[in-house]
Amino acid sequence: AQSVTQLGSHVSVSEGALVLLRCNYSSSVPPYLFWYVQYPNQGLQLLLKYTSAATLVKGINGFEAEFKKSETSFHLTKPSAHMSDAAEYFCAVKGSGAGSYQLTFGKGTKLSVIP
Amino acid sequence: NAGVTQTPKFQVLKTGQSMTLQCAQDMNHEYMSWYRQDPGMGLRLIHYSVGAGITDQGEVPNGYNVSRSTTEDFPLRLLSAAPSQTSVYFCASTRSGTGGNSPLHFGNGTRLTVT
Repeated sequence: AQSVTQLGSHVSVSEGALVLLRCNYSSSVPPYLFWYVQYPNQGLQLLLKYTSAATLVKGINGFEAEFKKSETSFHLTKPSAHMSDAAEYFCAVKGSGAGSYQLTFGKGTKLSVIP
Repeated sequence: NAGVTQTPKFQVLKTGQSMTLQCAQDMNHEYMSWYRQDPGMGLRLIHYSVGAGITDQGEVPNGYNVSRSTTEDFPLRLLSAAPSQTSVYFCASTRSGTGGNSPLHFGNGTRLTVT
């Protein structure tokens, strides 16, 4: 079974400051890892995904995440926060293999950006 | 390209009423799924389907039924609504046969209130 833990249900940063959202996973097989963003009253949009091709993954809107197997982590970062980054962010894990379609989500981290 | 379309966007039901949440995708995805999103709980899988005629239960299936008669459509039925089913429901789909690294594509959600 796989699981995801997101540390911190709410994170506040000042505009221009570093954004760091933490995600740790548990998986019995090499995982596929995803970060999704949800803006208010909208569905989930893919930010980036890890598929074992490279440990540092770049996504949309200036976000990136680094896969660290030794720490079972996949933290999301952005060097400089913008007001438009205020949203809820979800980390998700999926097992490998052709039949492994199910995503297991973390409980989410709501990011607030202070002007 | 519409992607994943959910209807209705909003619904209010009285306890004991029944209704069907509709989901359609135009990407020829084999895999479709339903999640519910509750504050502080992240997204939890209700039911999923890996192809027409094939469905299975997820983490929280009680009180919900699904069927998959076509590749495009995956309706979610509430036979007797309960206040505990007040939630935001998301339909999501993805391709199969890719080893698991294809992301889920989400609809914009249906916000359901049961009084």
